[in-house]
Amino acid sequence: QKEVEQNSGPLSVPEGAIASLNCTYSDRGSQSFFWYRQYSGKSPELIMFIYSNGDKEDGRFTAQLNKASQYVSLLIRDSQPSDSATYLCAVTGRNNFNKFYFGSGTKLNVKP
Amino acid sequence: EAGVTQFPSHSVIEKGQTVTLRCDPISGHDNLYWYRRVMGKEIKFLLHFVKESKQDESGMPNNRFLAERTGGTYSTLKVQPAELEDSGVYFCASSLIGGEETQYFGPGTRLLVL
Repeated sequence: QKEVEQNSGPLSVPEGAIASLNCTYSDRGSQSFFWYRQYSGKSPELIMFIYSNGDKEDGRFTAQLNKASQYVSLLIRDSQPSDSATYLCAVTGRNNFNKFYFGSGTKLNVKP
Repeated sequence: EAGVTQFPSHSVIEKGQTVTLRCDPISGHDNLYWYRRVMGKEIKFLLHFVKESKQDESGMPNNRFLAERTGGTYSTLKVQPAELEDSGVYFCASSLIGGEETQYFGPGTRLLVL
């Protein structure tokens, strides 16, 4: 079983719509959760992190965490073609906040 | 402020050769990490330095891989001898000590072993 699971996509949404990206993790003791965006051939770039159950909003992005269900999601409102990228979910281990476990990423296509 | 830099951006070598990858972390970041992504798989942790000390090298695949961080600044990752399965993208990341755990990633080195 993989530590972090993501649907590889591609997820296609029209411009202006809400994109919903999902991630599940296996270690119930995981404490920190990160969403990175990666354009082809570029560095993974941090979008948001979340530690507590519930929602965290930053501009057009909202991260949602449900530790009981071991589920973290990223919502992108008013999606733009420039949001087209691969979105990576990263989770820390229960006893090691420095070791990230990544999902394989979801490719998002925002169509003009 | 400069981000994490990695050199070279690409490397093509033959099986059995040696390759050395370099990572320069963000200035002031004492934590330095190496990750690897092989084709079709997720990014996987290799090891973690705190300053010049190896804190966790549980992800290093075998003894053909040697990571160093002399002086606690830049780091090198040497693969000797390289095998076909070592092909992939090697990422370096860095973070502050004592702050949030956010890791900032470099652009990666794309290694192809023929």
